[in-house]
Amino acid sequence: DAGVIQSPRHEVTEMGQEVTLRCKPISGHNSLFWYRQTMMRGLELLIYFNNNVPIDDSGMPEDRFSAKMPNASFSTLKIQPSEPRDSAVYFCASSLSQGIYEQYFGPGTRLTVT
Amino acid sequence: KNQVEQSPQSLIILEGKNCTLQCNYTVSPFSNLRWYKQDTGRGPVSLTIMTFSENTKSNGRYTATLDADTKQSSLHITASQLSDSASYICVVSKPGGGQNFVFGPGTRLSVLP
Repeated sequence: DAGVIQSPRHEVTEMGQEVTLRCKPISGHNSLFWYRQTMMRGLELLIYFNNNVPIDDSGMPEDRFSAKMPNASFSTLKIQPSEPRDSAVYFCASSLSQGIYEQYFGPGTRLTVT
Repeated sequence: KNQVEQSPQSLIILEGKNCTLQCNYTVSPFSNLRWYKQDTGRGPVSLTIMTFSENTKSNGRYTATLDADTKQSSLHITASQLSDSASYICVVSKPGGGQNFVFGPGTRLSVLP
């Protein structure tokens, strides 16, 4: 299995631009998680889906952030408009289901907003 | 307040030595505790997951312990290798998942030859 796939691996954009991050979970996994990691705040859970349905988005910092999961094999995290404080590494992870299951993380997307 | 603290913040050891990382939490109610290893520039990798009833869990040279009464966990690394150099993150979950994950700040381990 290829594991969790994320694209792009690096993204540099200017303030005000729209950014879309993509994730393909491991086949057969029903839960998908989006995380953000910064030096100052560490790892933070932004949103998670179960069976393509958003279960908890209370970690999404503000309305500029949105996430979708149109099918079991694809999810996007969109930031519009982007701001310099959004610069971080964004990770996608998947697990078999909700609950006490191991989460498998992707390689992350390093976002820099100038 | 639900918090997870880890100590030390960073640690340097020589290859072949053992070490122990600490995780103290105030999260309540408790569901499970996870230890992750994160290499520089990579996503975290799960090492162990422990529930309330588990005191010890091993994964190769990694052994995690949990004392749910004192709300403490430790991760012991035996016979360290250069590849153990990484950040180790403790995550405590409340029942229900989602925002009930509370992340520790991590311990940065450097193993020197």
